[in-house]
Amino acid sequence: DTAVSQTPKYLVTQMGNDKSIKCEQNLGHDTMYWYKQDSKKFLKIMFSYNNKELIINETVPNRFSPKSPDKAHLNLHINSLELGDSAVYFCASSQEIAGQGAYPSYEQYFGPGTRLTVT
Amino acid sequence: SQELEQSPQSLIVQEGKNLTINCTSSKTLYGLYWYKQKYGEGLIFLMMLQKGGEEKSHEKITAKLDEKKQQSSLHITASQPSHAGIYLCGADIGPDSWGKLQFGAGTQVVVTP
Repeated sequence: DTAVSQTPKYLVTQMGNDKSIKCEQNLGHDTMYWYKQDSKKFLKIMFSYNNKELIINETVPNRFSPKSPDKAHLNLHINSLELGDSAVYFCASSQEIAGQGAYPSYEQYFGPGTRLTVT
Repeated sequence: SQELEQSPQSLIVQEGKNLTINCTSSKTLYGLYWYKQKYGEGLIFLMMLQKGGEEKSHEKITAKLDEKKQQSSLHITASQPSHAGIYLCGADIGPDSWGKLQFGAGTQVVVTP
């Protein structure tokens, strides 16, 4: 069984269009994330939801809007797509684990990614 | 913001040889995560090291965290073709943002016959 799944795997669209990427996790985790990986393979966090509540919202254009209908799903909607939005988008999920000492750990499980190409 | 620098950017190693990748932080490392990515696939969790310094091993991969140097190293012994891929380190930036991992740029590993 796939732990974190994303659809679609590939998405090719024209500038100005609106598109959505879906993510589902069957791990029972409370927290889900969206990351963007650019052409240089640099991975950067965009959003994080904990139990359907937004907890991390990085400096991302307003055209990007995450939605979490329940804690197993986190979708990413992008309005008015631009060429610079072309990248691989990864969804991830995690559960807080009591770490050694005072610090928790967040082992994140990643989906296979969605390669978005804007033409 | 947290800056993570990985070195080398890429390396080519002959099968059977050892290799080491380093990840250095400009700030305190509360948690350091190592992931592996194959082309066109997601990230696979390898190991997590906590502040205070520790060492973990799994099969032929060993990761260490040096708290004083704010540095982690990933060492692969007797590399195999299956070890090829991009290795990324990710750091937890602290109490205000648990789970908000910041990643290094990655190290591409090629294993030749």
